[in-house]
Amino acid sequence: ILNVEQSPQSLHVQEGDSTNFTCSFPSSNFYALHWYRWETAKSPEALFVMTLNGDEKKKGRISATLNTKEGYSYLYIKGSQPEDSATYLCASLGGYQKVTFGIGTKLQVIP
Amino acid sequence: NAGVTQTPKFRILKIGQSMTLQCAQDMNHNYMYWYRQDPGMGLKLIYYSVGAGITDKGEVPNGYNVSRSTTEDFPLRLELAAPSQTSVYFCASSYSQGNYGYTFGSGTRLTVV
Repeated sequence: ILNVEQSPQSLHVQEGDSTNFTCSFPSSNFYALHWYRWETAKSPEALFVMTLNGDEKKKGRISATLNTKEGYSYLYIKGSQPEDSATYLCASLGGYQKVTFGIGTKLQVIP
Repeated sequence: NAGVTQTPKFRILKIGQSMTLQCAQDMNHNYMYWYRQDPGMGLKLIYYSVGAGITDKGEVPNGYNVSRSTTEDFPLRLELAAPSQTSVYFCASSYSQGNYGYTFGSGTRLTVV
């Protein structure tokens, strides 16, 4: 993996469903992995900062895991709500100020 | 606590014109960044600063200049605007290089015609 790749690019889920998406990043020179939530017409808001292999972070119904050896992170949303509708961005930090953002996963939760 | 304040929110420039996008933060963050967002692309780093008086190029610096005379302010200057600079610009700041998330401004939508 040379760039940060996020999948899927978009998805629609029903309210109450749980969902997850993936961020793949270069595993060499890894420093940190950020997840952001970006609502339409607003600016990205930091969700998690993860640095250690095996890290798990949780904020309410949202959680994330990190595997630095294979270069991926998963974001999970349990019991999706309409207010979870947003684009979820990940960013990989590898080396001094070398930050690469993915293009995001756009989530639409249908009431 | 205002966070990161960007002005203006929208601007239309004619080709060849110049302008400055303003960015100010009140969190005493040393690290500040300018990104641009183009459709279907991830945020691209234009310039960054690790403290007052220190700036450096990011991934896409051509056509832009920055200065950092104070900790609070990090303006981005566009000289001789070109249609390729049509984009949404975000300023961000952080407490440290990567162990803390970035705080983003609300963005400036710039159109060059």
